[in-house]
Amino acid sequence: GIQVEQSPPDLILQEGANSTLRCNFSDSVNNLQWFHQNPWGQLINLFYIPSGTKQNGRLSATTVATERYSLLYISSSQTTDSGVYFCAVERYDYKLSFGAGTTVTVRA
Amino acid sequence: DAGVTQSPTHLIKTRGQQVTLRCSPKSGHDTVSWYQQALGQGPQFIFQYYEEEERQRGNFPDRFSGHQFPNYSSELNVNALLLGDSALYLCASSPTMGDRGGDSYEQYFGPGTRLTVT
Repeated sequence: GIQVEQSPPDLILQEGANSTLRCNFSDSVNNLQWFHQNPWGQLINLFYIPSGTKQNGRLSATTVATERYSLLYISSSQTTDSGVYFCAVERYDYKLSFGAGTTVTVRA
Repeated sequence: DAGVTQSPTHLIKTRGQQVTLRCSPKSGHDTVSWYQQALGQGPQFIFQYYEEEERQRGNFPDRFSGHQFPNYSSELNVNALLLGDSALYLCASSPTMGDRGGDSYEQYFGPGTRLTVT
């Protein structure tokens, strides 16, 4: 099956800092989503981005499908940005394959 | 517009018992997928239901089974529970995936059911 690798595994930030999370995948995909999992386990949709660039407030994402990677940018981080960020991809088979996640801790 | 809902929120069962988890998809969605998330890991795909049939299945034993109803809601059943089945079970829904012509659709997740097997 398709392999999804996220880096870094852990990230500690000072409030106000910027950061970049990376997702590499091993094959072509027709779906890529970024999620934020809150402490209660809810997966919150951040971006649906099989290709291109999108922005939503302080968050933005870029997927370069031909080079099989995606980046999630967090600018001016806040303590509420803490949590686990997951990248998930679908390879034309209806199922999402998740990476292991990046745990982000934002300190005040 | 109601999102994906799941019940119950938490559940404690004993090894060897059976459990049923329930999911109602987001309004306008007819495809339901189930995922298992063990502590500290990313979610793992169990199976997907479309038109009341299992269309795709991940690497899970036959102890895991499901059902989809005409109103698109779904159940996940796990028989002969093992300690290793303790996890967060997530349901996701999406618009029809019947004839996508290569297109994909965004999946939306419910809040999950946390199952503890003792």
